[in-house]
Amino acid sequence: GESVGLHLPTLSVQEGDNSIINCAYSNSASDYFIWYKQESGKGPQFIIDIRSNMDKRQGQRVTVLLNKTVKHLSLQIAATQPGDSAVYFCAESYSGGYQKVTFGTGTKLQVIP
Amino acid sequence: GAGVSQSPRYKVAKRGQDVALRCDPISGHVSLFWYQQALGQGPEFLTYFQNEAQLDKSGLPSDRFFAERPEGSVSTLKIQRTQQEDSAVYLCASSLPRQGAGDGYTFGSGTRLTVV
Repeated sequence: GESVGLHLPTLSVQEGDNSIINCAYSNSASDYFIWYKQESGKGPQFIIDIRSNMDKRQGQRVTVLLNKTVKHLSLQIAATQPGDSAVYFCAESYSGGYQKVTFGTGTKLQVIP
Repeated sequence: GAGVSQSPRYKVAKRGQDVALRCDPISGHVSLFWYQQALGQGPEFLTYFQNEAQLDKSGLPSDRFFAERPEGSVSTLKIQRTQQEDSAVYLCASSLPRQGAGDGYTFGSGTRLTVV
């Protein structure tokens, strides 16, 4: 079925550098996109979201970009810190439904001190 | 408690055993979801409840999987005759009605099931 996927399974960055995690989605009906962070032994934790009527949204140290033309999402983390080390998932949903979320396979972010 | 509570945190089952996994959602959260997360993969949807009604069970992988939420609060995911391919982390999430899947969702820490 249609799903959300990621380009890079593992990303290593130096502490203080910016990180960019990419994601491709394929379901044209999805109109709501979310980035989650998952640490070992924990459930996914919401980071930031974006609706399909936007192409950029900023949070604290994080920015999500949405390119609907090529069905691409990215998560940018500024000044990456050791506490950012985790697996990051992009996910998609449809606001007209009951908020079922479809996750991608994840990118592991390793921050090098 | 303030979060979604799942128990047990770890479960080891012999192949063929039945298991029951429990989810205590946040009080007042009408919507409840179960997800299955295989090692190194993203969570995959299993089933959805609105109060006690199971409105979507399209993600349950076989008829060995059964979920219930009889009083609209605590939910139990039951797996009969467990197989090795059932080994995964089972995550529960809850939300208020009409809340977005982003910060409206709260996930529990999951139950790690290992079938030997």
